[in-house]
Amino acid sequence: DAGVTQSPTHLIKTRGQHVTLRCSPISGHKSVSWYQQVLGQGPQFIFQYYEKEERGRGNFPDRFSARQFPNYSSELNVNALLLGDSALYLCASSLEGQSRYGYTFGSGTRLTVV
Amino acid sequence: ILNVEQSPQSLHVQEGDSTNFTCSFPSSNFYALHWYRWETAKSPEALFVMTLNGDEKKKGRISATLNTKEGYSYLYIKGSQPEDSATYLCAFRTGNQFYFGTGTSLTVIP
Repeated sequence: DAGVTQSPTHLIKTRGQHVTLRCSPISGHKSVSWYQQVLGQGPQFIFQYYEKEERGRGNFPDRFSARQFPNYSSELNVNALLLGDSALYLCASSLEGQSRYGYTFGSGTRLTVV
Repeated sequence: ILNVEQSPQSLHVQEGDSTNFTCSFPSSNFYALHWYRWETAKSPEALFVMTLNGDEKKKGRISATLNTKEGYSYLYIKGSQPEDSATYLCAFRTGNQFYFGTGTSLTVIP
């Protein structure tokens, strides 16, 4: 059974551009969460979706948005990219919205904004 | 924004040594405390999810305790092995928000 898959693995964008990151959860998992990890810091929570509805939002500007599709995959969109958006973006899935078993993470998308 | 602090930031131990590190979090509005192990070039791997004050969990040589009243959790590794080398992250959950610490980087020297 495939784990959490994220695409692309690496991405280089220019300031002001838009980016879309994708995540496919483990089969049967209905919740997807997104995190941003900047070098030297712990992952910062961006969004959680469960059953296609937003269940949580971290302290990120409106340039960040996400959605979850009927097949439970998810996209994270970032508009008007800034240099400070350069980070590793992690996706995590769980069976339910508030997992008693922890979350399963993907390997991340490394975004570089130049 | 809540503060979740982990200490020490990094740790070097000899193979066979036992070690422990700390995660401190707010004692109010507690829902759960997660521990993850994150090896270089891999995905974070869930170790424990702890929800009740006084919880103790164990997986092989790794164990964890939880004190929600004073806002801390300890992770213990008994008889460290080189394969234990990784960053250990804790994450505090309150409501629908999840806050990670910056991690403790453990290096086990053969």
